Amino acid sequence: QSALTQPASVSGSPGQSITISCTGTSSDVGGYNHVSWYQQYPGKAPKLMIYDVSNRPSGVSSRFSASKSGSTASLTISELQAEDEADYYCNSYTSSNTYVFGTGTKVTVL
Amino acid sequence: QVQLVQSGAEVKKPGASVKVSCRTSGNTFTNYNIHWVRQAPGQGLEWMGIINPHGGSTGYAQKFQGRVSVTRDTSTSTVYMELSSLRSEDTAVYYCTREFPYSYCIGYWGQGTLVTVSS
Repeated sequence: QSALTQPASVSGSPGQSITISCTGTSSDVGGYNHVSWYQQYPGKAPKLMIYDVSNRPSGVSSRFSASKSGSTASLTISELQAEDEADYYCNSYTSSNTYVFGTGTKVTVL
Repeated sequence: QVQLVQSGAEVKKPGASVKVSCRTSGNTFTNYNIHWVRQAPGQGLEWMGIINPHGGSTGYAQKFQGRVSVTRDTSTSTVYMELSSLRSEDTAVYYCTREFPYSYCIGYWGQGTLVTVSS
């Protein structure tokens, strides 16, 4: 199972919106709604930001939203803030009854 | 409050095995699948395997088939991940994780266990 494809880096200025893509296949992202997104600061454990494609856990800012179209999932961060600077990973269930992570995206706030 | 408490850091020689434990809190141990994820230094997240604590069924990433074993002890609400034939590339932080309620997505993470493989 190959890792899902994410851009290596995305940047934006404070207040702007950015979108991170996560491209898979019909055997993972395109075939199931078990797609999630994680935020990770250096040296820390990842934190769940989005589950089941577009659902936000309690406590996660509404500035984070997500969707899926075909085999590509997307995470949008609106009103970008300095604290959003981190690494972001997508994850999907697969047809092999396994899971696969994305390659990861480093978000930089300019 | 969900808590996943992992065992401490390990240093192993190439060819050896390592067994990492993950003790979960609460009385819902058998209700949620536990996944193991690892992250090599400076690298991304890598999914390794899963266990259903209720029946003990497991699933592993093809990359680790034959080298990883995930087990559980329901009496202590603890899950174990054993990785054998260690090589330097297995040096990583290993995370125990639990699914989010009413979802099959990973929701909760342990603090991570650093496993260093070095001669």
